[in-house]
Amino acid sequence: AQSVTQPDIHITVSEGASLELRCNYSYGATPYLFWYVQSPGQGLQLLLKYFSGDTLVQGIKGFEAEFKRSQSSFNLRKPSVHWSDAAEYFCAVNAGNNRKLIWGLGTSLAVNP
Amino acid sequence: IAGITQAPTSQILAAGRRMTLRCTQDMRHNAMYWYRQDLGLGLRLIHYSNTAGTTGKGEVPDGYSVSRANTDDFPLTLASAVPSQTSVYFCATSSGRGYEQFFGPGTRLTVL
Repeated sequence: AQSVTQPDIHITVSEGASLELRCNYSYGATPYLFWYVQSPGQGLQLLLKYFSGDTLVQGIKGFEAEFKRSQSSFNLRKPSVHWSDAAEYFCAVNAGNNRKLIWGLGTSLAVNP
Repeated sequence: IAGITQAPTSQILAAGRRMTLRCTQDMRHNAMYWYRQDLGLGLRLIHYSNTAGTTGKGEVPDGYSVSRANTDDFPLTLASAVPSQTSVYFCATSSGRGYEQFFGPGTRLTVL
C-alpha cells in the first residue's frame, strides 16, 4: 500500500539556522509530491509541488524541496529559518490515477529566537 | 466569496444532535473533500466527490454523510453526533490538474 512517512514528529531550530524536514514515500513509480504548511488555527497552504522534470523545486516563503528517486524521498529545506516559519508541515503524495492525496502525519516546527 | 468558505467556524454540540458543516467554493473545481484532523493522527479523509452528483467514501466515513448537488457546495452531515467526532474539519478542493488540493479555514467541532 502507498504510504508517506515523516520521521520527525517535532523539530526545534534556532532562528537563522538551516532546516531540513524529511519525507519518505512508498510507491513503485514516480508520484506527484507536495509539501503543505499549517500555521496555528489555520488551514493548509501549499508550499511547493513536484510533478516531473527538475528534481529541485522552489516554493513560496523561501522553501525548496528535492526529489530523490533512489531514496524515495522528498525533503523540504530552507537555508535560514524565520520565527514566522513555526508551524506544522505536511508531506503528501498522489500515487495513482485518482484525485486523492496520501498524507504524512506532519512535523511540528518550533523556532527559538 | 473568495476561495473556500466553511461554516460555522466553531461549534459546540450535544451528543445525539444532528449537525451539518457547510463548505462552499467559488473556484469551479470539480473535486471536493472532507478531512478531519486530530492530534497525532494527521489528516484523515472522510468523504470525497470527484464531480457534482458523485460521492465516495474515504478512510473514516462512518457516522458522516455528504451530498454534492452542484459544483460549489459540499455539505458534511453528522446524523447523530458522538464525542469521538470532536475534531477540526477541513474542506478541500482540487481542479484535477496536478492533483494539488486547496483548503478551507476549517471548522472546530466539539461534541459533548
